Amino acid sequence: DAKTTQPNSMESNEEEPVHLPCNHSTISGTDYIHWYRQLPSQGPEYVIHGLTSNVNNRMASLAIAEDRKSSTLILHRATLRDAAVYYCILDNYGQNFVFGPGTRLSVLP
Amino acid sequence: DAGVIQSPRHEVTEMGQEVTLRCKPISGHDYLFWYRQTMMRGLELLIYFNNNVPIDDSGMPEDRFSAKMPNASFSTLKIQPSEPRDSAVYFCASSSRGTQINEKLFFGSGTQLSVL
Repeated sequence: DAKTTQPNSMESNEEEPVHLPCNHSTISGTDYIHWYRQLPSQGPEYVIHGLTSNVNNRMASLAIAEDRKSSTLILHRATLRDAAVYYCILDNYGQNFVFGPGTRLSVLP
Repeated sequence: DAGVIQSPRHEVTEMGQEVTLRCKPISGHDYLFWYRQTMMRGLELLIYFNNNVPIDDSGMPEDRFSAKMPNASFSTLKIQPSEPRDSAVYFCASSSRGTQINEKLFFGSGTQLSVL
């Protein structure tokens, strides 16, 4: 499985933007980049995914590097409810969906 | 839709007992995943099914673990006999990946298992 690397933890202030990085230097041409997050005491939930172009939805934006070897999840205005573990996952249809350690985001009031 | 439903939410049992965890996926989803989460090992994929057929069980820790999916609306994960090191949160997830490439996974609330 192609691997991703993320910082173990990050901190942000409430109502400020947060940029969560992910490196995936061994990504293949057909790997999608997925982001999930896990709030305390809950199961993971989908945030966003993309292939080559930047993507936006109501939760976040995903910026993908031109060579696709890295990506950044952007939360435009962090709230206390965004404190969670954020997982970056490479997904190729038909293969296992494997989670790494993720980044623990703390949001300070 | 009620989402992915797991039962029980909490299970406390004694070492050596049989434990059965249950999952009802979202109607119409053709993929079902079982994960285990611990502080030490994070989220581990145990097994996944496509159209009720196990596709990859390489993550199942040992023969004490078994999973079945008798129909599209029900799956079980059984541990027999249970051991204290099996204590973890077990998540079930489902997806319609068979119909839409790279469709997202929907997770249940998990079963917190404690083996004493």
